[in-house]
Amino acid sequence: DIVMTQTPLSLSVTPGQPASISCKSSQSLLHSAGKTYLYWYLQKSGQPPQLLIYEVSNRFSGVPDRFSGSGTGTDFTLKISRVEAEDVGVYYCMQSLQLPFTFGPGTKVDIK
Amino acid sequence: EVQLVESGGGLVQPGGSLRLSCTASGFTLSDHYMDWVRQAPGKGLEWVGRTTNKADSYTTQYAASVKGRFTMSRDDSKNSLYLQMNSLKTEDTAMYYCTRRPYGGRGIDSWGQGTLVTVSS
Repeated sequence: DIVMTQTPLSLSVTPGQPASISCKSSQSLLHSAGKTYLYWYLQKSGQPPQLLIYEVSNRFSGVPDRFSGSGTGTDFTLKISRVEAEDVGVYYCMQSLQLPFTFGPGTKVDIK
Repeated sequence: EVQLVESGGGLVQPGGSLRLSCTASGFTLSDHYMDWVRQAPGKGLEWVGRTTNKADSYTTQYAASVKGRFTMSRDDSKNSLYLQMNSLKTEDTAMYYCTRRPYGGRGIDSWGQGTLVTVSS
């Protein structure tokens, strides 16, 4: 199975300041067809996860442009350009290159 | 609007069985691969299993932790997905989410609200 790791595991951010979360996979997530299958989700308290970013850098419908994703191969980053109060929750990365899909442990983001 | 609504969760004793249902709306279920993902209380996310779409013959695949005990099925005519869970263990206690993959895609783009399964004596 592909192992996903995330750093940091928790993050406290001042509103309006940037935030960055790293995700690493135990093997490359690049598919032979050229796509890289790395997804980012946000789970707010008491809610299911919601898709933010798909295939490394594509924002899902309705996701604010303060969220951006980047990376290649095994190293990926989610950035929030200016954190807002509504961005608190746990952020997960997930690989969908191969089954079983596997998730990172999550990064808990709160507001200072 | 895509909607996924799970039901069927509850309290069950170890060794018991439970059948979860997921009712889909807002899209054509037969076009999509569907997965179940679970989350133990206070823990992270764990992929449980997948069923392919009609074009790919509704094949299923499962996580090692549930293989041989859980069975996914679907009835596209009823816009429904099912998860039959047998020989339940205390470690199966979790919120179970029904999820959808985008058409032609590999990840998960939509999640239901989840249904809670508690395995305890």
